[in-house]
Amino acid sequence: DAGVIQSPRHEVTEMGQEVTLRCKPISGHDYLFWYRQTMMRGLELLIYFNNNVPIDDSGMPEDRFSAKMPNASFSTLKIQPSEPRDSAVYFCASSTRTALNYGYTFGSGTRLTVV
Amino acid sequence: SQKIEQNSEALNIQEGKTATLTCNYTNYSPAYLQWYRQDPGRGPVFLLLIRENEKEKRKERLKVTFDTTLKQSLFHITASQPADSATYLCALGMDSSYKLIFGSGTRLLVRP
Repeated sequence: DAGVIQSPRHEVTEMGQEVTLRCKPISGHDYLFWYRQTMMRGLELLIYFNNNVPIDDSGMPEDRFSAKMPNASFSTLKIQPSEPRDSAVYFCASSTRTALNYGYTFGSGTRLTVV
Repeated sequence: SQKIEQNSEALNIQEGKTATLTCNYTNYSPAYLQWYRQDPGRGPVFLLLIRENEKEKRKERLKVTFDTTLKQSLFHITASQPADSATYLCALGMDSSYKLIFGSGTRLLVRP
């Protein structure tokens, strides 16, 4: 397996534009997580899915953020409209509860810069 | 309020010595705790898991302890090498939900 795949690796956009981040989890993993990492706040959980269903979105900053998981192999995180304070590295991770001893597998992240 | 605290200052040690990193938490009752390694420009990589009923867990040169009374976990790397230089993150897990709450991480620098 190629691991968790995120795209794009880097995204630079202007304030007010829509941004879509993409994630392909590891096949067979039934949990998918979206995290955001900044120097000030560290790694924050935004939302997570179990079997494609959103379970906890309490970390989503505001209505400008939305996430979907239309099937077991694909998820998106959308920001509309984007603001400079959204600049961060966004990570997707996947896991399965039956393999707790293996932890989460993270993607390489998407570095978002909003100017 | 709930907090997870890791030393924000970098830990700088000589090759061959044992590195000890600390993770303290407040107002959480984790069922397990995980440690991750993160290199610049990469996502965190899972290292070890320890459950609340376990005192200590070892894997090669790594050792983790978990004291639920002190609300603290210690992460040790013995015979440290320059290749161990990275940021190390602790994360708390709850049985009531399958999500991890991460600390901010400690940067380890191992000098040759």
